Amino acid sequence: SSELTQDPAVSVALGQTVRITCQGDTLRTYYAGWYQQKPGRAPLLVIYGQNNRPSGIPDRFSGSSSRNTASLTITGAQAEDEADYYCNSRGSSGNQVVFGGGTKLTVL
Amino acid sequence: EVQLVESGGGLVQPGRSLRLSCTGSGFMFGDYAMSWIRQAPGKGLEWVGFIRNDGNGVTTEYAASVEGRFTISRDDSKSIAYLQMNSLKTEDTAMYYCVRGAGVTIYYWGQGTLVTVSS
Repeated sequence: SSELTQDPAVSVALGQTVRITCQGDTLRTYYAGWYQQKPGRAPLLVIYGQNNRPSGIPDRFSGSSSRNTASLTITGAQAEDEADYYCNSRGSSGNQVVFGGGTKLTVL
Repeated sequence: EVQLVESGGGLVQPGRSLRLSCTGSGFMFGDYAMSWIRQAPGKGLEWVGFIRNDGNGVTTEYAASVEGRFTISRDDSKSIAYLQMNSLKTEDTAMYYCVRGAGVTIYYWGQGTLVTVSS
């Protein structure tokens, strides 16, 4: 089982706000990264660190963290945001990397 | 432009070996750790391991699921990272991605190479 836990599926109405969460004890110490993956494509980094977006990622994507939970928020979800989202972080050993099981986001 | 290109995937029988390669370009390859991440069909992402060059020499780390069977190496003169996979199991069937870095923040991913372990 993964050290990071995500809800398997989440849905959001077009234009509304959705929060995708990631829980794990290591998140008390390390920040999470968030990745978007569309079918047949490699993952794309959307959020890293405290709340940083790589160049080209829309500002409707934001990140936050509290205690053992990291969150990815999409404010004003668009149809093109429909994808699988994965969090990752350091594992309990500190050197290893772990991924959450992923959340399938449906935009209605 | 940073590019990572994996090669070497294919169909292999259980118990056999396979070596994947990852050729990097557009950056100083020797300055970066390199990692492998895999994704079984229809499943989530799984970190496999990384190789890092630091002041103390080459360091590798592996996921428990592959420790002792998989080995990551690199040839900085050729800008290539390798993933040697021995004693392959059916559960090793996955798309294998090469990525730049050893940590949580992964900007650059290859397109992946598919490994199918089946008799």
